[in-house]
Amino acid sequence: KQEVTQIPAALSVPEGENLVLNCSFTDSAIYNLQWFRQDPGKGLTSLLLIQSSQREQTSGRLNASLDKSSGRSTLYIAASQPGDSATYLCAANTGNQFYFGTGTSLTVIP
Amino acid sequence: DAGVTQSPTHLIKTRGQQVTLRCSPISGHKSVSWYQQVLGQGPQFIFQYYEKEERGRGNFPDRFSARQFPNYSSELNVNALLLGDSALYLCASSQWDRGSEAFFGQGTRLTVV
Repeated sequence: KQEVTQIPAALSVPEGENLVLNCSFTDSAIYNLQWFRQDPGKGLTSLLLIQSSQREQTSGRLNASLDKSSGRSTLYIAASQPGDSATYLCAANTGNQFYFGTGTSLTVIP
Repeated sequence: DAGVTQSPTHLIKTRGQQVTLRCSPISGHKSVSWYQQVLGQGPQFIFQYYEKEERGRGNFPDRFSARQFPNYSSELNVNALLLGDSALYLCASSQWDRGSEAFFGQGTRLTVV
């Protein structure tokens, strides 16, 4: 069974810092890996999707990498802003379902 | 284009009651999946439907059931509600049954008292 782990569970940084969120998964047989953002009590907003054949994807200040062989993905956030404060979830797609980590709660201090 | 829409947004039910949650996918998307998110945890897979057929089921009891309609909208039903069913229920819309990007709705917050 696929297991997804996210480290750290919580992170607090001053505005302007660059930061890295980590995601690991146990089964490398994935179709893709998707990063989401979740604000308190809200649904999930898709940030980046990396197909299993890709190494990285970029969108604005966000960059996600994927190393399928080692079962790892990272989300890099450049020049963090207070509006980036949220929980970030990674999800490994094994075909017809996503396996989620428990998320990293990010607080960016003005 | 409208995103994934779920209704209702909030719901309070009593133990033992039944509840129906609704989801409309993004136009053109044929797959709808349901997830349960308990506070402080990541979402857990309940069902996937594609072209009106069940394509996957997570580790949930038979009290949970779902269906997909010809217009690709979906309903999730939960019978004999337990306190532990209190959670945020999320619907995800995808274009295909496997490997495509998922877009989530805002969820239905179910509270069982």
